[in-house]
Amino acid sequence: DQQVKQNSPSLSVQEGRISILNCDYTNSMFDYFLWYKKYPAEGPTFLISISSIKDKNEDGRFTVFLNKSAKHLSLHIVPSQPGDSAVYFCAASGVSGNQFYFGTGTSLTVIP
Amino acid sequence: NAGVMQNPRHLVRRRGQEARLRCSPMKGHSHVYWYRQLPEEGLKFMVYLQKENIIDESGMPKERFSAEFPKEGPSILRIQQVVRGDSAAYFCASSGGGGSYEQYFGPGTRLTVT
Repeated sequence: DQQVKQNSPSLSVQEGRISILNCDYTNSMFDYFLWYKKYPAEGPTFLISISSIKDKNEDGRFTVFLNKSAKHLSLHIVPSQPGDSAVYFCAASGVSGNQFYFGTGTSLTVIP
Repeated sequence: NAGVMQNPRHLVRRRGQEARLRCSPMKGHSHVYWYRQLPEEGLKFMVYLQKENIIDESGMPKERFSAEFPKEGPSILRIQQVVRGDSAAYFCASSGGGGSYEQYFGPGTRLTVT
């Protein structure tokens, strides 16, 4: 039972353009969402988060948008850089913060 | 400024042996989470611990798997009588708690069962 879904396993984008990574969730009780970036043979690195009381959070080139009614969030990277090439995971948690549910990841390739 | 440490990075065990995976959280963090990543899959939550307490183990298989986070020393994930299906990358993450949801991950332990 996958409560957090990333339906695009891979995405290719030209350097300098915008990358948009999408994530859907099924549990309306989730109230905190995070994005992680993972390089091969390394652990995930925290990128950006958003609480359910907001619909947008921005940090430099990274912006996360949350649409609660659609149970959808997205990560925008602009401009995309070759160093952004990695696997991106979205994750969600309920109020307790005890358990985090991760999507299956989207592999982003930024083409120079 | 040490981050989350995991050791060993790679572990090979024969079927039936025991595997012990260690995790030292970031300095000042008292919350530890263990995740498993099977090939071609995302991270699956296993267990959430605070010092000397298991808070949520709903993701742990009922048999052969156990975890602890003692007052002193690293958190340990123990897998007894390993089987080939246990081969995976095991990640540990830590957080500071107190309403802070950001988890910081270690580099993982890749377990191979032969």
